Amino acid sequence: NAGVTQTPKFQVLKTGQSMTLQCAQDMNHNSMYWYRQDPGMGLRLIYYSASEGTTDKGEVPNGYNVSRLNKREFSLRLESAAPSQTSVYFCASTVVLGGGGNTIYFGEGSWLTVV
Amino acid sequence: KQEVTQIPAALSVPEGENLVLNCSFTDSAIYNLQWFRQDPGKGLTSLLLIQSSQREQTSGRLNASLDKSSGRSTLYIAASQPGDSATYLCAVNTGNQFYFGTGTSLTVIP
Repeated sequence: NAGVTQTPKFQVLKTGQSMTLQCAQDMNHNSMYWYRQDPGMGLRLIYYSASEGTTDKGEVPNGYNVSRLNKREFSLRLESAAPSQTSVYFCASTVVLGGGGNTIYFGEGSWLTVV
Repeated sequence: KQEVTQIPAALSVPEGENLVLNCSFTDSAIYNLQWFRQDPGKGLTSLLLIQSSQREQTSGRLNASLDKSSGRSTLYIAASQPGDSATYLCAVNTGNQFYFGTGTSLTVIP
């Protein structure tokens, strides 16, 4: 079971460089998410996609763009990386529960350092 | 806005102790609450999910309770082991959105 797969696992960027974090899920989930995790601040939502073809901003979208390429894939792009974007990035997907609400599945994370 | 708090931020206990981790949330309008484990350098692994209509869930040595009206959940770990050392996070679900606590870092000393 692959679940949610993120690449790359580790990346070092110079300030101003661009890069794309890739995410794919094989669980046929409609909704996908990108979070960042920083010490003492917990997980903060960057962007999410409720379904193929739709994306919405989360709590901290500035400096990021996303693409929901198809139902399986949801990528996160840093156009001009800044040191403040040094963080751990998690992709996730969710499924609706029979009793209402959703449950969430996470990828293994991508460690990004901007120097 | 929903806020989720976990206290304490860190906890150190000797092996074999029973322990309780706490999670509180400000808005009781939730669908469910989920407890996760995170090992260093890893993603989040789901431990237990409690629907809003439920009071508790159990899995092995873990028992999670939910008091929605008071905005509280506890994760009880029985007979702790060094392998339980990790960060434990709780999250509440309000539909499309999830709100996470900052976690409790647990160290179980052999």
